[in-house]
Amino acid sequence: QVQLQESGPGLVKPSQTLSLTCTVSGGSITSDGYYWSWIRQHPGKGLEWIGFISYRGSTYFHPSLRSRGTISVDTSRNQFSLNLSSVTAADTAVYYCARDRDEFPFDYWGQGTLVTVSS
Amino acid sequence: DIQLTQSPSFLSASVGDRVTITCRASQGISSYLAWYQQKPGKAPKVLIYPASTLQSGVPSRFSGSGSGTEFTLTISSLQPEDFATYYCQQLNSYPRTFGPGTKVDIK
Repeated sequence: QVQLQESGPGLVKPSQTLSLTCTVSGGSITSDGYYWSWIRQHPGKGLEWIGFISYRGSTYFHPSLRSRGTISVDTSRNQFSLNLSSVTAADTAVYYCARDRDEFPFDYWGQGTLVTVSS
Repeated sequence: DIQLTQSPSFLSASVGDRVTITCRASQGISSYLAWYQQKPGKAPKVLIYPASTLQSGVPSRFSGSGSGTEFTLTISSLQPEDFATYYCQQLNSYPRTFGPGTKVDIK
């Protein structure tokens, strides 16, 4: 059973960089055909897909976040990470990592981690 | 980006009721639509994909239909554990987008 777990600071100051890591267990991040995504949910709101990375390092970012975001992968640790720079209060959200596959829904999700942007 | 709208945004229903939620896409997405259920404090769980195929382990009271731009999720007889928020998501193209959600509450 694949499991994903987000980790990182729960509080980030405005203008700083939000950094989160997702650790995958019960399966390999190098499994062919899978992408590894970040999704966020603003408090009391809907879901927003941020972007994905493949184990080979190819990425796709939501156009609205592309200028501020990077996603990286560490296959030796079975982890992938999200960096979002120049954060504002509008980036306060629960951040989820999830397993993705082209033309298939997100089948495994982390439990989510709340990141608050505040001074 | 493909925009998804859902209606209603909120509905109040009783146990045993039949409930229907509609999702509309801003352009045709064939059957590349998934339905998720999310309970408070939990990650979403996929119920149906593609448009009308129940995922393994999902109760048969859930069903989905539609293609192109209009889709529906139906719960034939609402159970206490079904009170949650439901989201549609399109998988036709990137960026992936979700509908704004429909909260199903207890009447």
